[in-house]
Amino acid sequence: DTGVSQDPRHKITKRGQNVTFRCDPISEHNRLYWYRQTLGQGPEFLTYFQNEAQLEKSRLLSDRFSAERPKGSFSTLEIQRTEQGDSAMYLCASSLGGQGGGYTFGSGTRLTVV
Amino acid sequence: GQNIDQPTEMTATEGAIVQINCTYQTSGFNGLFWYQQHAGEAPTFLSYNVLDGLEEKGRFSSFLSRSKGYSYLLLKELQMKDSASYLCAVPYSGAGSYQLTFGKGTKLSVIP
Repeated sequence: DTGVSQDPRHKITKRGQNVTFRCDPISEHNRLYWYRQTLGQGPEFLTYFQNEAQLEKSRLLSDRFSAERPKGSFSTLEIQRTEQGDSAMYLCASSLGGQGGGYTFGSGTRLTVV
Repeated sequence: GQNIDQPTEMTATEGAIVQINCTYQTSGFNGLFWYQQHAGEAPTFLSYNVLDGLEEKGRFSSFLSRSKGYSYLLLKELQMKDSASYLCAVPYSGAGSYQLTFGKGTKLSVIP
């Protein structure tokens, strides 16, 4: 297992376009998280899946954002009608069981909206 | 609500010891995490404290005082590769929640 994989690593898009990111968690991890991080800030929680069920969503996740985790494996995060304020690093993480072991983060997708 | 405070930046000399502090306010405590994040890379897990006291892992140690809402990360024998941001995080206290609230991070620069 190579850890948490995210694709693409970088994405530049024009304002108003839709973008989709993919995350492949560690295979035995049942929990998957999406976070957003801007320069000089810590990661901010967006949403959380346990298996295929989306159990938590942040107020940061406006109706332009949607996330899925079909079959409890990989996950996608889609942003519709992108805005310049969406420019950030989008981090995916996965974990197994309790919180004591912490998350394993992927390398992130850096989104730039121009 | 939850709030986490960390110093924004610190500088220390190679071979020295540095202590990075974190204070937090949370309505229900479920432990505290420290993560390391090199520029442009993903955060990596360093430690998890749920009980008071010091936990040591090689050159890195983490301390927690629940009564004071305070933690610190202690880095010994600093190396240049320790230059990174160090993030303090606490789990959200809501029932059944697994989200983490992160501080803004402390950017540590190790100089020769």
